[in-house]
Amino acid sequence: GENVEQHPSTLSVQEGDSAVIKCTYSDSASNYFPWYKQELGKGPQLIIDIRSNVGEKKDQRIAVTLNKTAKHFSLHITETQPEDSAVYFCAASESNYKLTFGKGTLLTVNP
Amino acid sequence: DAGVIQSPRHEVTEMGQEVTLRCKPISGHDYLFWYRQTMMRGLELLIYFNNNVPIDDSGMPEDRFSAKMPNASFSTLKIQPSEPRDSAVYFCASSLAPSNEQFFGPGTRLTVL
Repeated sequence: GENVEQHPSTLSVQEGDSAVIKCTYSDSASNYFPWYKQELGKGPQLIIDIRSNVGEKKDQRIAVTLNKTAKHFSLHITETQPEDSAVYFCAASESNYKLTFGKGTLLTVNP
Repeated sequence: DAGVIQSPRHEVTEMGQEVTLRCKPISGHDYLFWYRQTMMRGLELLIYFNNNVPIDDSGMPEDRFSAKMPNASFSTLKIQPSEPRDSAVYFCASSLAPSNEQFFGPGTRLTVL
């Protein structure tokens, strides 16, 4: 089955700096890669996703890049703000419904 | 819409007791998912339903776990008998289609003593 590795497990940045979280996956058939943000006491919420026919996608301060050859994808957050502090999960899926999640990255943005 | 609703939000029970977790998906969503989240294993898909029918239950850990969806607006996840290693946060999620965004509920934090 699919295996997703996520790094780093914790990340601390100063407000205004950029944050980058990286994931690798094992199943070359995977074609859907969402990123979820989970705030304390809440369920994960989708913030951006990318499909295998696209190399990069951007939504305001958030961008995701995908390298299918190397089987890795990354989340980039620019101009970080304290409200960006949360746990971020990457996931991969070859069937669109069965998401395999990474172990998560705790992002702390210091004011 | 109120989003995915789960109850209870917290459940503390003793080993050997039956536990029932409940979920109301977003109206109109045909797909419903049950996940378990632990520090050790992260987020794991337990089972998913399409139009109230269980499609893939390969993630259900053992026979002590069962899930039902008697209608389009209600699903249950039951653990009988419960064990301390079942302690986790259980999430329900729903989506319009498998390739669409999954909307997660707030989760049920289960503690088995």
